[in-house]
Amino acid sequence: GAVVSQHPSWVICKSGTSVKIECRSLDFQATTMFWYRQFPKQSLMLMATSNEGSKATYEQGVEKDKFLINHASLTLSTLTVTSAHPEDSSFYICSARAPSGSIYEQYFGPGTRLTVT
Amino acid sequence: QQQVKQSPQSLIVQKGGIPIINCAYENTAFDYFPWYQQFPGKGPALLIAIRPDVSEKKEGRFTISFNKSAKQFSLHIMDSQPGDSATYFCAASSPANTNAGKSTFGDGTTLTVKP
Repeated sequence: GAVVSQHPSWVICKSGTSVKIECRSLDFQATTMFWYRQFPKQSLMLMATSNEGSKATYEQGVEKDKFLINHASLTLSTLTVTSAHPEDSSFYICSARAPSGSIYEQYFGPGTRLTVT
Repeated sequence: QQQVKQSPQSLIVQKGGIPIINCAYENTAFDYFPWYQQFPGKGPALLIAIRPDVSEKKEGRFTISFNKSAKQFSLHIMDSQPGDSATYFCAASSPANTNAGKSTFGDGTTLTVKP
């Protein structure tokens, strides 16, 4: 149980184009999903918190107009990188909270490798 | 301000050894402390987690020791195997009803278990 999928697993795009990444909770409903960015050999950097049916909450320094997040249903959140540039190349990982009593466990997707050329 | 400090940055042990990874936190509002294992090119996987009202939790070969007064917790891997070679992250979470239950991650520890 508590499986989170991401699509695509990797994507290469040209500078200036937009890329959409999907995050799905396969066997549970997730009212909250998180989007992270990870550079090689570094920790996870939280970009934003996505709540179903409401606007995402972005961390300080993350451009909300560049990284568009939509949490349209209890099982799907999407991250769109708009007007991508080479510096946006990174490993993007989503996670979803699975309510477990009063402690909310967080399950991660397999990640999406974005390369902007 | 780094709220969760993890050490060491890297660790090499022989097969069968017991690597220990340490984390220290600052925010006493944290109430959930998970450890994640990440292999190259993959997302992190929840390994084991503990709450502050428990001093130790064991699941299989993985044990968390928690010291609330010192605001420290550690991961012990018993009888380590080459397949345990991965990057390990500690994290600390705020209560789920505040701050959306966000997690703060340590910088990670790259573990290598030699055959």
